[in-house]
Amino acid sequence: QQPVQSPQAVILREGEDAVINCSSSKALYSVHWYRQKHGEAPVFLMILLKGGEQKGHDKISASFNEKKQQSSLYLTASQLSYSGTYFCGTEILTGGGNKLTFGTGTQLKVEL
Amino acid sequence: NAGVTQTPKFRVLKTGQSMTLLCAQDMNHEYMYWYRQDPGMGLRLIHYSVGEGTTAKGEVPDGYNVSRLKKQNFLLGLESAAPSQTSVYFCASRTGTGYSGANVLTFGAGSRLTVL
Repeated sequence: QQPVQSPQAVILREGEDAVINCSSSKALYSVHWYRQKHGEAPVFLMILLKGGEQKGHDKISASFNEKKQQSSLYLTASQLSYSGTYFCGTEILTGGGNKLTFGTGTQLKVEL
Repeated sequence: NAGVTQTPKFRVLKTGQSMTLLCAQDMNHEYMYWYRQDPGMGLRLIHYSVGEGTTAKGEVPDGYNVSRLKKQNFLLGLESAAPSQTSVYFCASRTGTGYSGANVLTFGAGSRLTVL
């Protein structure tokens, strides 16, 4: 089952903040975040392992709540370059190897 | 150049025809994945492989078959194409699992398939 992302879409003015949420019904091994520009392949942002850690990358950070199987991506002081579709990927352990499943995506548009 | 290469980039098929998408990586990655991307559906996992000679089903495996005879190649086959398989297909690979930069997924550029 795909993880559930919210919101589906968001429009920001440059400099505003946004939060994208991701939740799963499965016990997660890790959570991945990727960003995709139109017509391109997804590009890696960050990985979080269970343990409730929080990671940061420039003005983009993320958290992972292992108990709730939820992750959030925080974009602060948004820039035009942040526009794109954001995907969370949830990794679960299976007998056949780790399965990495992505959500339906959140379309983010940053305007002047 | 190191990375993930998908062939072909574009293909138009008629209903009932068969074809194979090739994914090749030169990074010695163990894990390889095939996803399909459709508007509003995000990236859906078709099949994946955790090493040479192994394959496993993802979320939407029906109508597709895969093979991983060589570590560097992961083939996705459509035996009898249907219009519902019109999509953009992405292949991705990574070294393994766990918490390190080596576990980042590297994606191919995508293959756009249209089934008439």
